Amino acid sequence: NAGVMQNPRHLVRRRGQEARLRCSPVKGHSHVYWYRQLPEEGLKFMVYLQKENIIDESGMPKERFSAEFPKEGPSILRIQQVVRGDSAAYFCASSSLVGDNEKLFFGSGTQLSVL
Amino acid sequence: KNQVEQSPQSLIILEGKNCTLQCNYTVSPFSNLRWYKQDTGRGPVSLTIMTFSENTKSNGRYTATLDADTKQSSLHITASQLSDSASYICVVNPGGGNKLTFGTGTQLKVEL
Repeated sequence: NAGVMQNPRHLVRRRGQEARLRCSPVKGHSHVYWYRQLPEEGLKFMVYLQKENIIDESGMPKERFSAEFPKEGPSILRIQQVVRGDSAAYFCASSSLVGDNEKLFFGSGTQLSVL
Repeated sequence: KNQVEQSPQSLIILEGKNCTLQCNYTVSPFSNLRWYKQDTGRGPVSLTIMTFSENTKSNGRYTATLDADTKQSSLHITASQLSDSASYICVVNPGGGNKLTFGTGTQLKVEL
């Protein structure tokens, strides 16, 4: 009964390369959220997806960032042409239902380092 | 200014002792307040969720309180253990989904 699985745990990219972060939610969960944690800061909401749909992407930069949650397979957070400021821990969370009091289950995160 | 402020920033206590962590928030509207525990290198794990109408909630040795009038919350840890060493994060849900607002956490270290 695996929880939220994220991979890779650590990702190193050079400036200008692409980063692809994967998230497999808890089995049966259809709601996925991505959060970003910069050093010395709290987690910041990026995007909320439900199977095949982006529900709220208000926290995601308009350029270079995209997210998807296909019918089959994991959710993907894609960052094109990475810059040093993209270095952060990216956390994925999932829930089984949508609702203000629903508990979110977080993965262990992907630490992205941009050289 | 962060909408969720926590204090102290860090804390060291001896095993077996109790401690209380504080959280003040300005997030509005407000749906619920959560406390999470985050071990180094891991994702946050939910400890408690309190709605507007709840003023206390317990989860084992963890007891959270909420005063929605003064917009303050606390997390009390009883009989601390070495495994309690972690960052404790206060999180507010303004409602309308799970677009949570996180504090920066209190880093707790429990020593022998």
